Amino acid sequence: EVQLLESGGGLAQPGGSLRLSCAASGFTFDIYAMGWVRQASGRGLEWVSGINNRGLKAYYGESVKGRFTISRDNSMKTVYLQMDSLRAEDTAVYYCAKQVTASGDDAFDIWGQGTVVIVSS
Amino acid sequence: EIVMTQSPLSLSVTPGQPASISCKSSQSLLHTDGKNYLYWYLQKPGQPPQLLIREVSNRFSGVPERFSGSGSGTDFTLTISRVEAEDVGVYYCMQSWERPLTFGGGTKVEIK
Repeated sequence: EVQLLESGGGLAQPGGSLRLSCAASGFTFDIYAMGWVRQASGRGLEWVSGINNRGLKAYYGESVKGRFTISRDNSMKTVYLQMDSLRAEDTAVYYCAKQVTASGDDAFDIWGQGTVVIVSS
Repeated sequence: EIVMTQSPLSLSVTPGQPASISCKSSQSLLHTDGKNYLYWYLQKPGQPPQLLIREVSNRFSGVPERFSGSGSGTDFTLTISRVEAEDVGVYYCMQSWERPLTFGGGTKVEIK
Protein backbone atom coordinates (compact mmCIF):
# COMPACT_ATOMS: atom_id res chain seq x y z
CA GLU A 1 0.00 0.00 0.00
CA VAL A 2 1.28 3.44 -0.94
CA GLN A 3 1.60 5.47 2.24
CA LEU A 4 3.14 8.61 3.68
CA LEU A 5 3.42 8.96 7.44
CA GLU A 6 4.30 12.31 8.94
CA SER A 7 5.70 12.83 12.42
CA GLY A 8 7.43 15.48 14.47
CA GLY A 9 4.64 17.98 14.90
CA GLY A 10 3.80 19.53 18.23
CA LEU A 11 3.99 22.69 20.24
CA ALA A 12 6.87 25.09 19.77
CA GLN A 13 7.57 28.55 21.11
CA PRO A 14 7.92 31.53 18.80
CA GLY A 15 11.50 31.59 17.59
CA GLY A 16 11.84 27.87 18.26
CA SER A 17 12.42 24.91 15.98
CA LEU A 18 10.77 21.68 14.95
CA ARG A 19 11.77 18.95 12.53
CA LEU A 20 9.07 17.16 10.61
CA SER A 21 9.65 13.73 9.07
CA CYS A 22 7.69 11.90 6.41
CA ALA A 23 8.28 8.18 5.94
CA ALA A 24 7.24 6.73 2.61
CA SER A 25 6.28 3.17 1.74
CA GLY A 26 4.73 1.27 -1.13
CA PHE A 27 6.44 3.07 -4.01
CA THR A 28 9.92 3.67 -5.43
CA PHE A 29 10.76 6.72 -3.34
CA ASP A 30 13.88 7.93 -5.15
CA ILE A 31 12.26 8.56 -8.52
CA TYR A 32 9.72 11.13 -7.33
CA ALA A 33 9.88 14.68 -6.05
CA MET A 34 8.31 15.34 -2.68
CA GLY A 35 6.76 18.37 -1.08
CA TRP A 36 5.17 19.89 1.99
CA VAL A 37 1.83 21.70 1.95
CA ARG A 38 0.27 23.33 4.99
CA GLN A 39 -3.23 24.30 6.02
CA ALA A 40 -4.06 26.65 8.85
CA SER A 41 -7.26 25.85 10.72
CA GLY A 42 -10.28 26.62 8.58
CA ARG A 43 -8.10 27.97 5.77
CA GLY A 44 -6.95 26.89 2.36
CA LEU A 45 -3.86 25.06 1.15
CA GLU A 46 -0.43 26.68 0.99
CA TRP A 47 2.57 25.13 -0.72
CA VAL A 48 5.56 25.29 1.64
CA SER A 49 8.48 23.52 0.03
CA GLY A 50 9.52 20.93 -2.52
CA ILE A 51 12.57 18.82 -3.34
CA ASN A 52 13.44 16.89 -6.47
CA ASN A 53 13.95 13.15 -6.52
CA ARG A 54 17.69 13.20 -5.90
CA GLY A 55 17.59 15.93 -3.29
CA LEU A 56 19.72 18.28 -5.39
CA LYS A 57 17.13 20.99 -5.90
CA ALA A 58 15.02 22.49 -3.12
CA TYR A 59 12.32 25.13 -3.40
CA TYR A 60 10.49 27.27 -0.84
CA GLY A 61 7.48 29.50 -0.52
CA GLU A 62 8.24 33.13 0.25
CA SER A 63 6.73 32.93 3.72
CA VAL A 64 9.22 30.27 4.85
CA LYS A 65 12.29 31.05 2.75
CA GLY A 66 15.38 31.37 4.92
CA ARG A 67 13.68 29.73 7.91
CA PHE A 68 12.70 26.24 6.69
CA THR A 69 14.94 23.61 5.10
CA ILE A 70 13.73 20.59 3.19
CA SER A 71 15.88 17.50 2.74
CA ARG A 72 15.51 13.82 1.97
CA ASP A 73 17.26 10.55 2.67
CA ASN A 74 16.47 8.17 -0.17
CA SER A 75 18.05 5.23 1.63
CA MET A 76 15.58 5.78 4.48
CA LYS A 77 12.69 6.72 2.14
CA THR A 78 12.13 9.81 4.26
CA VAL A 79 11.72 13.51 3.58
CA TYR A 80 12.30 16.12 6.27
CA LEU A 81 11.28 19.69 6.96
CA GLN A 82 13.49 21.57 9.40
CA MET A 83 11.55 24.54 10.68
CA ASP A 84 13.51 27.27 12.47
CA SER A 85 12.60 30.75 13.71
CA LEU A 86 9.01 29.64 14.01
CA ARG A 87 6.25 32.22 14.06
CA ALA A 88 2.64 32.07 15.22
CA GLU A 89 1.55 32.19 11.58
CA ASP A 90 3.33 28.87 10.94
CA THR A 91 0.64 27.15 13.02
CA ALA A 92 -1.05 24.65 10.70
CA VAL A 93 -1.48 21.06 9.68
CA TYR A 94 1.55 20.11 7.59
CA TYR A 95 0.99 17.56 4.84
CA CYS A 96 3.74 15.60 3.16
CA ALA A 97 2.91 14.78 -0.45
CA LYS A 98 4.41 12.82 -3.30
CA GLN A 99 4.64 14.41 -6.72
CA VAL A 100 4.00 12.72 -10.04
CA THR A 101 7.44 13.28 -11.57
CA ALA A 102 11.06 13.56 -10.51
CA SER A 103 11.28 17.32 -10.92
CA GLY A 104 8.17 18.35 -9.01
CA ASP A 105 6.64 20.58 -11.67
CA ASP A 106 3.32 18.81 -11.40
CA ALA A 107 0.60 17.44 -9.16
CA PHE A 108 0.69 15.89 -5.72
CA ASP A 109 -0.85 12.45 -6.16
CA ILE A 110 -0.32 10.92 -2.73
CA TRP A 111 -0.80 12.77 0.57
CA GLY A 112 -0.09 11.90 4.18
CA GLN A 113 -2.64 12.42 6.94
CA GLY A 114 -0.79 15.46 8.22
CA THR A 115 0.96 16.51 11.41
CA VAL A 116 -0.12 19.45 13.55
CA VAL A 117 2.30 22.26 14.34
CA ILE A 118 1.31 24.85 16.93
CA VAL A 119 3.53 27.85 17.57
CA SER A 120 2.58 29.58 20.78
CA SER A 121 4.11 30.89 23.97
CA GLU B 1 3.41 34.56 -8.04
CA ILE B 2 0.45 33.21 -9.99
CA VAL B 3 -2.83 33.98 -8.25
CA MET B 4 -5.57 31.38 -8.57
CA THR B 5 -9.13 32.62 -8.12
CA GLN B 6 -12.01 30.19 -7.66
CA SER B 7 -15.73 30.78 -7.82
CA PRO B 8 -18.17 30.34 -6.32
CA LEU B 9 -16.99 30.17 -2.70
CA SER B 10 -19.68 27.63 -1.95
CA LEU B 11 -22.24 25.54 -3.77
CA SER B 12 -25.30 23.68 -2.53
CA VAL B 13 -26.37 20.96 -4.95
CA THR B 14 -29.27 18.53 -5.13
CA PRO B 15 -28.06 14.94 -5.55
CA GLY B 16 -28.13 13.95 -9.20
CA GLN B 17 -27.78 17.52 -10.43
CA PRO B 18 -24.68 18.93 -12.11
CA ALA B 19 -22.22 21.32 -10.51
CA SER B 20 -19.46 23.49 -11.96
CA ILE B 21 -16.55 25.28 -10.34
CA SER B 22 -14.50 27.97 -12.04
CA CYS B 23 -10.80 28.61 -11.57
CA LYS B 24 -8.99 31.56 -13.14
CA SER B 25 -5.25 32.11 -13.09
CA SER B 26 -3.51 35.50 -13.15
CA GLN B 27 -1.35 34.35 -16.06
CA SER B 28 -1.55 31.65 -18.68
CA LEU B 29 -0.82 28.10 -17.56
CA LEU B 30 -0.34 26.90 -21.15
CA HIS B 31 3.20 25.68 -21.62
CA THR B 32 5.05 25.46 -24.93
CA ASP B 33 4.69 21.69 -24.60
CA GLY B 34 0.97 22.13 -25.15
CA LYS B 35 -0.01 21.23 -21.59
CA ASN B 36 -1.85 23.42 -19.12
CA TYR B 37 -0.33 22.83 -15.69
CA LEU B 38 -3.62 22.97 -13.82
CA TYR B 39 -4.90 20.41 -11.33
CA TRP B 40 -8.03 19.82 -9.25
CA TYR B 41 -8.19 18.37 -5.74
CA LEU B 42 -11.02 17.45 -3.38
CA GLN B 43 -10.57 17.67 0.36
CA LYS B 44 -13.30 15.70 2.10
CA PRO B 45 -14.08 16.62 5.71
CA GLY B 46 -11.31 15.55 8.07
CA GLN B 47 -9.12 14.18 5.29
CA PRO B 48 -6.09 15.30 3.32
CA PRO B 49 -6.67 16.52 -0.23
CA GLN B 50 -6.97 13.94 -2.98
CA LEU B 51 -6.03 14.44 -6.61
CA LEU B 52 -8.97 14.41 -9.02
CA ILE B 53 -7.74 15.88 -12.31
CA ARG B 54 -4.29 16.34 -13.85
CA GLU B 55 -3.42 18.86 -16.56
CA VAL B 56 -6.93 20.25 -16.89
CA SER B 57 -8.82 17.19 -18.05
CA ASN B 58 -7.07 13.92 -17.16
CA ARG B 59 -8.86 12.05 -14.40
CA PHE B 60 -6.51 10.52 -11.83
CA SER B 61 -6.63 6.80 -11.17
CA GLY B 62 -9.92 5.72 -9.58
CA VAL B 63 -11.70 9.04 -10.05
CA PRO B 64 -15.29 8.53 -11.23
CA GLU B 65 -16.24 9.55 -14.77
CA ARG B 66 -18.76 12.08 -13.47
CA PHE B 67 -15.78 14.38 -12.78
CA SER B 68 -14.46 16.27 -15.80
CA GLY B 69 -12.24 19.27 -16.39
CA SER B 70 -11.96 21.76 -19.20
CA GLY B 71 -10.31 25.03 -20.14
CA SER B 72 -7.03 26.45 -21.31
CA GLY B 73 -4.80 29.43 -20.70
CA THR B 74 -6.28 31.27 -17.76
CA ASP B 75 -9.83 29.93 -17.46
CA PHE B 76 -10.66 26.46 -16.21
CA THR B 77 -13.74 24.56 -15.06
CA LEU B 78 -14.36 21.46 -13.01
CA THR B 79 -17.72 19.83 -13.69
CA ILE B 80 -19.49 17.12 -11.75
CA SER B 81 -22.13 15.70 -14.08
CA ARG B 82 -24.36 14.26 -11.34
CA VAL B 83 -23.41 15.12 -7.79
CA GLU B 84 -23.45 12.34 -5.22
CA ALA B 85 -23.41 12.57 -1.44
CA GLU B 86 -19.78 11.44 -1.32
CA ASP B 87 -18.70 14.47 -3.38
CA VAL B 88 -19.09 16.89 -0.46
CA GLY B 89 -15.99 18.77 0.59
CA VAL B 90 -13.79 21.60 -0.56
CA TYR B 91 -12.46 21.65 -4.11
CA TYR B 92 -9.16 23.34 -4.91
CA CYS B 93 -7.43 24.14 -8.16
CA MET B 94 -3.64 24.33 -8.23
CA GLN B 95 -1.06 25.47 -10.77
CA SER B 96 2.43 24.11 -11.25
CA TRP B 97 3.44 26.28 -14.22
CA GLU B 98 5.90 28.04 -11.96
CA ARG B 99 7.01 28.05 -8.35
CA PRO B 100 5.68 28.91 -5.90
CA LEU B 101 2.98 26.35 -6.61
CA THR B 102 -0.28 28.08 -5.75
CA PHE B 103 -3.78 26.95 -4.90
CA GLY B 104 -7.14 28.59 -5.35
CA GLY B 105 -9.01 29.60 -2.24
CA GLY B 106 -11.36 26.62 -2.44
CA THR B 107 -15.01 25.98 -3.24
CA LYS B 108 -17.12 24.23 -0.63
CA VAL B 109 -19.68 21.82 -2.07
CA GLU B 110 -22.62 20.78 0.07
CA ILE B 111 -25.61 18.59 -0.59
CA LYS B 112 -29.11 20.07 -0.34
